[in-house]
Amino acid sequence: DGGITQSPKYLFRKEGQNVTLSCEQNLNHDAMYWYRQDPGQGLRLIYYSQIVNDFQKGDIAEGYSVSREKKESFPLTVTSAQKNPTAFYLCATGQGTEQYFGPGTRLTVT
Amino acid sequence: DQQVKQNSPSLSVQEGRISILNCDYTNSMFDYFLWYKKYPAEGPTFLISISSIKDKNEDGRFTVFLNKSAKHLSLHIVPSQPGDSAVYFCAAIDSGTYKYIFGTGTRLKVLA
Repeated sequence: DGGITQSPKYLFRKEGQNVTLSCEQNLNHDAMYWYRQDPGQGLRLIYYSQIVNDFQKGDIAEGYSVSREKKESFPLTVTSAQKNPTAFYLCATGQGTEQYFGPGTRLTVT
Repeated sequence: DQQVKQNSPSLSVQEGRISILNCDYTNSMFDYFLWYKKYPAEGPTFLISISSIKDKNEDGRFTVFLNKSAKHLSLHIVPSQPGDSAVYFCAAIDSGTYKYIFGTGTRLKVLA
C-alpha cells in the first residue's frame, strides 16, 4: 500500500500551542513539499526539501519549521508565531516533473 | 504577485457539454505546466501536463492547450460528466528553482 500519509485528518489546538503535522511517504521520492490552502487561494508553498537533511523556505515560511532527517518523513511544525494557522495543510512528494499529494490535514486553532 | 492566474473562480456546465478552464501566467521561465483536480478535504490529484515545447496534449476526455506567445493555457473536458465537479488548479514549474507555482483554482460544477 504505497503513497503519502498525513495524519491526523483533523487536528484541533489552542492558540499559543505549537503543533506538528506528520507526512510520511514510501514512494522513495527525493523531494517533499508542504503547502497550505485557504478558501479562495491557491496552494501556497511553505517549505520544501529536495534531499535529506536539506530544506528551503517557500513563499510563506514565517511561523513554520520543518525537518528532513529521513527520506520518508517531512514533519511540519506550526508554531505560535504563525498568525493565521487555521488552514488545510497538504504534503506532497516530487519525482521528475510531477508532484503527488497526500490527503491533507485540516488544522483548526481556536 | 500572482505568477499563475485563474481568473474564473467558478464555472457551471451542462452534462455532456465542453468545459473550458483557463490559466494565465507571467513568468517566461516556466517550462512545464500541469492541471490538478481537487475534491473537498482531499489532496489534489494529477490530471494532465504539458511541456512548453508542445502546444497540445490529450488524454481521453482531457486536452490541455498551451499558447506560449499569449502565456495562456487551457484545459478542455469533453464530454463533461457530473463526476468532474471539483476544483481545478493549474500549476507551472519554474525551471530555475523547480518550484511549483499554483493558480487559485476554478470550481467546476457539471449539472446533470
